[in-house]
Amino acid sequence: ELNLVESGGGLVQPGRSLRLSCAASGFRFDDYAMHWVRQAPGKGLEWVSGISWNSANVGHADSVKGRFTISRDNAKNSLYLQMDSLRPEDTALYYCAKDMRVRWLGSLLSGMDAWGRGTTVTVSS
Amino acid sequence: DIQMTQSPSSLSASVGDRVTITCQASQDISKYLNWYQQKPGRAPDLLIFDASNLETGVPPRFSGSGSGTDFSLSINSLQPEDFATYYCQQYGNFPYTFGQGTKLEIK
Repeated sequence: ELNLVESGGGLVQPGRSLRLSCAASGFRFDDYAMHWVRQAPGKGLEWVSGISWNSANVGHADSVKGRFTISRDNAKNSLYLQMDSLRPEDTALYYCAKDMRVRWLGSLLSGMDAWGRGTTVTVSS
Repeated sequence: DIQMTQSPSSLSASVGDRVTITCQASQDISKYLNWYQQKPGRAPDLLIFDASNLETGVPPRFSGSGSGTDFSLSINSLQPEDFATYYCQQYGNFPYTFGQGTKLEIK
């Protein structure tokens, strides 16, 4: 059974850092791109970052560019999100999500067909 | 960045109704458009991929259409479990973007 489990969320002060992790199981992790998507309380979905199966192609939302870094370790079936210089507007539930295509067109990313339950990040003094 | 404009932002309908939600991209994204359903307290579920393809396990009362900049999601014969929030999402170009969501409520 496919499973995505996020961890690493918590309460952090503005300007500090946090590292989220996502443990994947039940599918061949190194065949798929992966994504982080967040949802602020009572708000809609926001795509945060994505990374191809081989880490050759990476993208970030403008709102996090230069502050957040996505990475993966295929040997550990794990996805990460390093979040630096956190702001109150980064407060959200962060979801890890699996791409819907196997190694699409080399190293492109597409949409998401499986999601974890999320981990909550609260940025507040 | 590509902006995704969904309408309406909310919609009231009755069981058995047919409803349509639209999504407009600020530039051509070909067919690279997905639709998701999200229920309160849960992660989103993929409904439609590549604008018009039904995800495995999704009932055929859901359908999607469109290409380029204009897309729509239709639900025939609404069922009680369909009342949720729906999002479109483009993956034509980084950064990928979602529409603001359409909350479908029971009338």
